[in-house]
Amino acid sequence: EAQVTQNPRYLITVTGKKLTVTCSQNMNHEYMSWYRQDPGLGLRQIYYSMNVEVTDKGDVPEGYKVSRKEKRNFPLILESPSPNQTSLYFCASSLSAPNEKLFFGSGTQLSVL
Amino acid sequence: GDSVTQMEGPVTLSEEAFLTINCTYTATGYPSLFWYVQYPGEGLQLLLKATKADDKGSNKGFEATYRKETTSFHLEKGSVQVSDSAVYFCALQPTGNQFYFGTGTSLTVIP
Repeated sequence: EAQVTQNPRYLITVTGKKLTVTCSQNMNHEYMSWYRQDPGLGLRQIYYSMNVEVTDKGDVPEGYKVSRKEKRNFPLILESPSPNQTSLYFCASSLSAPNEKLFFGSGTQLSVL
Repeated sequence: GDSVTQMEGPVTLSEEAFLTINCTYTATGYPSLFWYVQYPGEGLQLLLKATKADDKGSNKGFEATYRKETTSFHLEKGSVQVSDSAVYFCALQPTGNQFYFGTGTSLTVIP
């Protein structure tokens, strides 16, 4: 089944403790991206990647890192999480950009205490 | 900069009522426009899209027309069902690699 898989589904952590949210797609998509969803703000793009070893900042990249060493994986790294990074995170992929349909993962609810 | 402005919610309608959710955008060039839907506890799914002016996207009874003169992409459905209850997002993809989403409009349809 074609899908975007995110893990974990829920995560509670403390300020400053490094964490990684994984994202994997099995559709051989070139384009992958991360979003955070906050009430009243909708989805905001954090980072995106056009292909292996090619990443770019979105609208809200501060406090996040990403890597794209393999085509299928695009992990989101929070090196020193802070409470303002408490949010619902989505990974998405598409065959290529522009004009392409995005396929979304089921989301990761992160709470930073 | 590029942005999407979406009608505030929440919206509550009776079954079989007519639905309109307004969406306007700001962008240079010729962006692509999308409507995504999010059901409770799930990720977003593409509902419809339009890639050039005057295109009409349609799916599952929903329609939206790309109006460049009014920079709008309003979502409509003639007769909503309870199963249409969800959050709807308008999205913009300018001539680049970033996507911009609206704030979302929550729709509840009551029997």
